[in-house]
Amino acid sequence: SYVLTQPPSVSVAPGQTARITCGGNNIASKTVHWYQQKPGQAPVLVIYYDSDRPSGIPERFSGSNSGNTATLTISRVEAGDEADYYCQVWDSSSDHYVFGTGTKVTVL
Amino acid sequence: EVQLVESGGGLVQPGGSLRLSCAASDFTVIANYMSWVRQAPGKGLEWVSIISSGGRTYYADSVKGRFTISSDNSRNTLYLQMNSLRAEDTAVYYCAGDSGSSKFDYWGQGTLVTVSS
Repeated sequence: SYVLTQPPSVSVAPGQTARITCGGNNIASKTVHWYQQKPGQAPVLVIYYDSDRPSGIPERFSGSNSGNTATLTISRVEAGDEADYYCQVWDSSSDHYVFGTGTKVTVL
Repeated sequence: EVQLVESGGGLVQPGGSLRLSCAASDFTVIANYMSWVRQAPGKGLEWVSIISSGGRTYYADSVKGRFTISSDNSRNTLYLQMNSLRAEDTAVYYCAGDSGSSKFDYWGQGTLVTVSS
């Protein structure tokens, strides 16, 4: 089955840039979506189709996908961005959705 | 505004059964792809099952043969019948809606299932 690997944690100072990677075999051939989950809350879609933002999501959130790595970038990080972030793809070979292992973003 | 509201969670003994429901408003269950996603305490997200707009169903290997996903058009509600429950099925179960392109646009608030004796 398809596996998506994320770093367990990323720490960043306010105002700086956080980059969260999502590794998968030839992930560039798939469409990657990203979710933000704050404690006690349901996940929220923040990036879809690799780099598109749903309405209401700040422009500070951006995404890219190339080779074996997709990346979620959060620019000008704010305290409110502290959360867990998950990447997700649809694996057509197994007809399964697949989530990444998740990354906890800590704002210092 | 789209709302997905789960219910039916609770405490159940190993080997027991439980049926979860997800009532949708402003989102037609049978016209979209609906999934169940779970999250064990302190763990990440795990996709459980999907029912397509055409009624096809798919399951994660961890629940295949034990869980059944279904929907009721008249009630605009999604269900998850869970049988032969195990301790490792303990999690918050989320209902999630995909309006296209294999992403979860809408999520419910989740319902907690605890499997313990």
